[in-house]
Amino acid sequence: DTGVSQDPRHKITKRGQNVTFRCDPISEHNRLYWYRQTLGQGPEFLTYFQNEAQLEKSRLLSDRFSAERPKGSFSTLEIQRTEQGDSAMYLCASSPSGTGEQETQYFGPGTRLLVL
Amino acid sequence: ILNVEQSPQSLHVQEGDSTNFTCSFPSSNFYALHWYRWETAKSPEALFVMTLNGDEKKKGRISATLNTKEGYSYLYIKGSQPEDSATYLCAFVNTGGFKTIFGAGTRLFVKA
Repeated sequence: DTGVSQDPRHKITKRGQNVTFRCDPISEHNRLYWYRQTLGQGPEFLTYFQNEAQLEKSRLLSDRFSAERPKGSFSTLEIQRTEQGDSAMYLCASSPSGTGEQETQYFGPGTRLLVL
Repeated sequence: ILNVEQSPQSLHVQEGDSTNFTCSFPSSNFYALHWYRWETAKSPEALFVMTLNGDEKKKGRISATLNTKEGYSYLYIKGSQPEDSATYLCAFVNTGGFKTIFGAGTRLFVKA
């Protein structure tokens, strides 16, 4: 399978615990995005990487959230001291550089987080 | 604040009906408008990337138009089929950034 993969697919944790999610983009894609999606809403932008550089980060993202893409390939999203409001689907997407159609984002299956 | 609105929120149609949805977005600093189709338990799937005012794109029975001056895009589905049942999302990208702002989606139910 050469699509975007995410791990784990589901995570249940207790409030206050730290969690880390992984995203493996399509191999030749140098752009990587993280989104959060809650019931009845569209995906909400969290952050964007161009290769290993984190070029944009949502102001909605508290300092409990951090994302890395150390070698410009896979990325991790960590949430520290989880709160019940962090319960959501976390989606990763990747796209190649370019313009127009080339900027199509390809999404992974998501990681569903439940904070008890 | 960048706001993307989609209407209607949900739509129930009969098989064979044609339908359309609206996406409204800021008319300034436009870079691109994306349409995605998201089926339950699957990943969002790209339908169209639209960049030019007046653009019209088509993929099978699905087509889309773009008006960047007034800030709206329409998605049309001709002869809806049950397999078209999904959430249709639009996403706005502005110039100078890579932030992609999604609407809440239109949930389409097609009854056989």
